[in-house]
Amino acid sequence: QLQLQESGPGLVKPSETLSLTCTVSGGSISSSSYYWGWIRQPPGKGLEWIGSIYYSGSTYYNPSLKSRVTISVDTSKNQFSLKLSSVTAADTAVYYCARPSAAAGIAYWGQGTLVTVSS
Amino acid sequence: EIVLTQSPGTLSLSPGERATLSCRASQSVSSSYLAWYQQKPGQAPRLLIYGASSRATGIPDRFSGSGSGTDFTLTISRLEPEDFAVYYCQQYGSSPRGTFGQGTKVEIK
Repeated sequence: QLQLQESGPGLVKPSETLSLTCTVSGGSISSSSYYWGWIRQPPGKGLEWIGSIYYSGSTYYNPSLKSRVTISVDTSKNQFSLKLSSVTAADTAVYYCARPSAAAGIAYWGQGTLVTVSS
Repeated sequence: EIVLTQSPGTLSLSPGERATLSCRASQSVSSSYLAWYQQKPGQAPRLLIYGASSRATGIPDRFSGSGSGTDFTLTISRLEPEDFAVYYCQQYGSSPRGTFGQGTKVEIK
């Protein structure tokens, strides 16, 4: 059974860079033709797609966040990561890692991790 | 970018009633790339429907999806107590970027 687990600081200061890692277990991040993605949800609000990456390194980002987002993959550790620069309070959210599939939806999600932007 | 608009924002129903949730896209969406999710407080979303009408693994048959083009519907035939939650539609474009609707809350009347 594929499992995803987010990790990283729960508190980030304004203007700094938010960094999260998603560790994949129960399957290899590079063994199948899937993308791996990040989605966030501000408290009490809806879901927002941040971006996704293929194991080869091809990335696709939400245009509204593109200038601040970097998603990378480390196949040796079976992990992929999110960096979001110049954060503000508006970036406070639960961040989920997930395995999206165009024709099969997002069947696998991490449990989510709350990141608060505050000084 | 395709915008998904869900209606109503809140649906107040009693257990046993039928729920009909709508998701309208700003431009045509491939049915293959339209999904529905259920989210309960403190939990990650759970995939219910993919490809507009295919139930995900383990999803009861009281959940069904339909629609094409710009109009899609999630129907819960008879609400069970555990079905009261927030529901999101999501589309996935030809490149792996996705957008979500703003959600419909199904609450107990």
